[in-house]
Amino acid sequence: GAGVSQSPSNKVTEKGKDVELRCDPISGHTALYWYRQSLGQGLEFLIYFQGNSAPDKSGLPSDRFSAERTGGSVSTLTIQRTQQEDSAVYLCASSRPPGRAGELFFGEGSRLTVL
Amino acid sequence: QQQVKQSPQSLIVQKGGISIINCAYENTAFDYFPWYQQFPGKGPALLIAIRPDVSEKKEGRFTISFNKSAKQFSLHIMDSQPGDSATYFCAASMEYNNDMRFGAGTRLTVKP
Repeated sequence: GAGVSQSPSNKVTEKGKDVELRCDPISGHTALYWYRQSLGQGLEFLIYFQGNSAPDKSGLPSDRFSAERTGGSVSTLTIQRTQQEDSAVYLCASSRPPGRAGELFFGEGSRLTVL
Repeated sequence: QQQVKQSPQSLIVQKGGISIINCAYENTAFDYFPWYQQFPGKGPALLIAIRPDVSEKKEGRFTISFNKSAKQFSLHIMDSQPGDSATYFCAASMEYNNDMRFGAGTRLTVKP
């Protein structure tokens, strides 16, 4: 596809269940980002992958959150034992190789609701 | 640790007026400063960006003003229109790794 693709677009789960959110970046983009946006709030940085470098996990809010990026392309954000405060829109973005900072391309997000 | 601070949190402007949103950053290693626009239900999209070798960049009704010594930059929207109503995010990153950090966002409402 031409843009960043995220799935599912909506996910409703029960408290305590695990969820997986998927991001398929733009082909050729080496950088991939996950952000969280709570209702009416800003973009909270979660994790950043750049090529084969160790990811920057400094934004992950707890050890219930993890992310991986397989083969330098698709990424999965996993939230274990979900809590109601995890309800938010999870946004993925990708960008071209570094060397000249540039535009992030965002997907439309995965809206997570924890009941 | 919020590396980019944005204000105001919300802004209401009459049609035809000027909207001004401000951002400040801490890390002097930042060298790329974009603004993103987000409509409800959509992901943010790049609106305009500036690098610190210039003090101002203008694209149509949108202008970024950059003050390197003060570590501040701002977005000005001239002749604001109802279609400009959206949430605006400033951001900053470093050239060598493109690790982008965003401000908290400003919800702009332009009244007809």
